[in-house]
Amino acid sequence: DAGVIQSPRHEVTEMGQEVTLRCKPISGHNSLFWYRQTMMRGLELLIYFNNNVPIDDSGMPEDRFSAKMPNASFSTLKIQPSEPRDSAVYFCASSPPALATQYFGPGTRLLVL
Amino acid sequence: AQTVTQSQPEMSVQEAETVTLSCTYDTSESDYYLFWYKQPPSRQMILVIRQEAYKQQNATENRFSVNFQKAAKSFSLKISDSQLGDAAMYFCAYMRKTSGSRLTFGEGTQLTVNP
Repeated sequence: DAGVIQSPRHEVTEMGQEVTLRCKPISGHNSLFWYRQTMMRGLELLIYFNNNVPIDDSGMPEDRFSAKMPNASFSTLKIQPSEPRDSAVYFCASSPPALATQYFGPGTRLLVL
Repeated sequence: AQTVTQSQPEMSVQEAETVTLSCTYDTSESDYYLFWYKQPPSRQMILVIRQEAYKQQNATENRFSVNFQKAAKSFSLKISDSQLGDAAMYFCAYMRKTSGSRLTFGEGTQLTVNP
């Protein structure tokens, strides 16, 4: 069974550009999470969805960040406009119904110049 | 708010030896989950082991076991017969027992395995 799939794996962009990160959760999982990892702040939750509905977006840094989950098999995290301080590794994770364990994708390493 | 603390930024162990990584947490909840995740240089987050707070028996997965002390809010990871492939950053994480809850991570412990 395929794990969580994220694309792109690496992204280099210039300040002010729009960045879109994509995630395909494991089939049958109904919860999806976006985390960000930086040296300064460690791993922190940005937003999570349950049955495609955003449940907690309190970790989203500011209005430049937005996330969508149009269906059970796809989610996007968008940054517009991007800034150098957004440089980080962004992880997507999913978990099945009634099971707490979250399974992580390989991450997207974002560098904003 | 829940917090997770890993007081050992770095640890090292000789191959085939045993090492214990420490983790403490703070919560007012009585039922919750605790996890250890491993992050090798590839950056992939890999689940190592999971513990449910209401279960008194310590979880074990092959060479990995935990020492869960609920009253002390302590959750240490023991790696037996350490292998070179165990070298990684290890994160302790807490989750409330609610469907779809967030993981709260510690700062991580970088484990080096010496041949």
